[in-house]
Amino acid sequence: EVQLVESGGGLIQPGGSLRLSCAASGFTVSSNYMSWVRQAPGKGLEYVSVIYSGGSTYYADSVKGRFTISRDNSKNTLYLQMNSLRAEDTAVYYCARIGSGWYVDYWGQGILVTVSS
Amino acid sequence: DIQMTQSPSTLSASVGDRVTITCRASQSIGSWLAWYQQKPGKAPKLLIYKASSLDSGVPSRFSGSGSGTEFTLTISSLQPDDFATYYCQQYNSYWTFGQGTKVEIK
Repeated sequence: EVQLVESGGGLIQPGGSLRLSCAASGFTVSSNYMSWVRQAPGKGLEYVSVIYSGGSTYYADSVKGRFTISRDNSKNTLYLQMNSLRAEDTAVYYCARIGSGWYVDYWGQGILVTVSS
Repeated sequence: DIQMTQSPSTLSASVGDRVTITCRASQSIGSWLAWYQQKPGKAPKLLIYKASSLDSGVPSRFSGSGSGTEFTLTISSLQPDDFATYYCQQYNSYWTFGQGTKVEIK
């Protein structure tokens, strides 16, 4: 059974850093495209970043230069390092697998990141 | 970047109604479109991929159609469990979501 479990969220001050983790089971992270999708309170869904199976990465313009996606193959875990956080980064962050059809087929439960002083 | 525009933003309907949501792409995306359902406090759930293919376990009252730049999600007979927000998402060039359509009780 495919499972994705996020951790590492919380309250952080503007300008601070936070690292989100997503522990995967039931499949191999490195063999799939993996993504982070976020949802600000009361708003829609926004792709934040994608890591391809080959290791290349994609970032939304809103986070380029501040966020870094990575994975640890030995731990079968996906990460999102978030630096220079802003109030507008406040959102629930979902870890999501992009399946062989190039659409998201599995989602984590989501984790809240709140950027506020 | 490809922009996705859904209409309407909110839809009021009753149990048993036929409901149609439209999604338009700013350029042709072929059939590379998925639909998701999201309920409050929950992660989105995949309903349809490749514009018209029903994901496993999704009730047959859901259907998708379209290609190119115009797509529709239809619920043939709205059930109480279907009141939720629906998102389209293109995956022809990177990935972009529509802004969502909330289906609420009339």
